[in-house]
Amino acid sequence: EVQLVESGGGLVQPGGSLRLSCAASGFDFNTYTMHWVRQAPGRGLEYVSAISYNGDSTHYGNSVKGRFTISRDNSKNTLYLQMGRLRTEDTALYYCARADVWGRGTTVTVSS
Amino acid sequence: DVVMTQSPLSLPVTLGQPASISCRSSQSLVYGDGNTYLNWFLQRPGQSPRRLIYKVSNRDSGVPERFSGSGSGTDFTLKITRVEAEDVGIYYCMQGTHWPYSFGQGTKLEIK
Repeated sequence: EVQLVESGGGLVQPGGSLRLSCAASGFDFNTYTMHWVRQAPGRGLEYVSAISYNGDSTHYGNSVKGRFTISRDNSKNTLYLQMGRLRTEDTALYYCARADVWGRGTTVTVSS
Repeated sequence: DVVMTQSPLSLPVTLGQPASISCRSSQSLVYGDGNTYLNWFLQRPGQSPRRLIYKVSNRDSGVPERFSGSGSGTDFTLKITRVEAEDVGIYYCMQGTHWPYSFGQGTKLEIK
């Protein structure tokens, strides 16, 4: 069964950092582009970032460019999102996705 | 960046009746390879989004035949032939042609 399980969310102060992880199983992780998408409380979906199957190519939404870094470890079947200079508006449920399969998300709350 | 505009934003439908959601993009979604990367997702209450349609008109595995996608260029439509109770939720279109990828605002389908 294809599965994506996010972890690493939590409460962090404005200006702080956090690293999210996404453990993948049930498919050949190293052949898929992977994505992070977020959803602020009561709001719609916002595209955050993507990384190619081998990590050579990365893309970011404008609101996180320069602050967030996406990476992957294909030997561990794990996707990461390093988040820095966090703002209150980064508060959201962060989903890891393979495009057709999504995890259940991990919650990030940025607040003092 | 590509802006995706959905209408209507709220869609009350009687069980068994058809439903239609429009999605328009601010730029053509035809990619250099000739494909049009327009997807439709459904987010049921309390759940992660689920992809229903990819590349305009292709149903994902397990998606009922009552769901269909159509369109080209900048103008796309999701249709449900006969709405069932399990179809309640928020529908999002998403373009995967231009970086950064982007979602529409969402259309909330409810039963009258």
